[in-house]
Amino acid sequence: GAGVSQSPSNKVTEKGKDVELRCDPISGHTALYWYRQSLGQGLEFLIYFQGNSAPDKSGLPSDRFSAERTGGSVSTLTIQRTQQEDSAVYLCASSLGPYRLEGYTFGSGTRLTVV
Amino acid sequence: AQSVSQHNHHVILSEAASLELGCNYSYGGTVNLFWYVQYPGQHLQLLLKYFSGDPLVKGIKGFEAEFIKSKFSFNLRKPSVQWSDTAEYFCAVIRGGGADGLTFGKGTHLIIQP
Repeated sequence: GAGVSQSPSNKVTEKGKDVELRCDPISGHTALYWYRQSLGQGLEFLIYFQGNSAPDKSGLPSDRFSAERTGGSVSTLTIQRTQQEDSAVYLCASSLGPYRLEGYTFGSGTRLTVV
Repeated sequence: AQSVSQHNHHVILSEAASLELGCNYSYGGTVNLFWYVQYPGQHLQLLLKYFSGDPLVKGIKGFEAEFIKSKFSFNLRKPSVQWSDTAEYFCAVIRGGGADGLTFGKGTHLIIQP
């Protein structure tokens, strides 16, 4: 597609429920990234995919967070047993791989609110 | 690990004032530097980037940034701001080769008063 598409744009969930966030990167972009944006915390790196593999999972905050990417395209970020501190905007970005020097193109994000 | 520091978390200016937002990074090797902007309700957009060559780079909407290697800095400037420049500004760094991905600063919230 023309840009990075994320869905849903907003998600309100009850504490303890699982959520899935979806990212559809720009066609042909082999690298895909998930970031979390919290008020006053800037952008926190979560995970990076090159193709379908994730060489860098260091940013996932806990084992409740997982992500996968299939077909070198769509990625899903799953948060299990959500907690209130998971409330944030989750941003996805993609870039031409593998060296990522051109910078990233970001989606509009999913605003997650855990109540 | 590399880090990016943005010293001003909130900046309030009047229209036509000059702007300089500070950005320092910690990595001593080759770096590629970026400024991203996020307008209210919109997604992050690339404002400008530095890879090599002239350390003064020009971006969109009249913004420019200067890479000073000796100071590990990449400050963003604009001679005369407009109300429409109200946004969140993020400095970001990729180490040469891209091995560590893009590391962002915590952002500067810029408010321009008409």
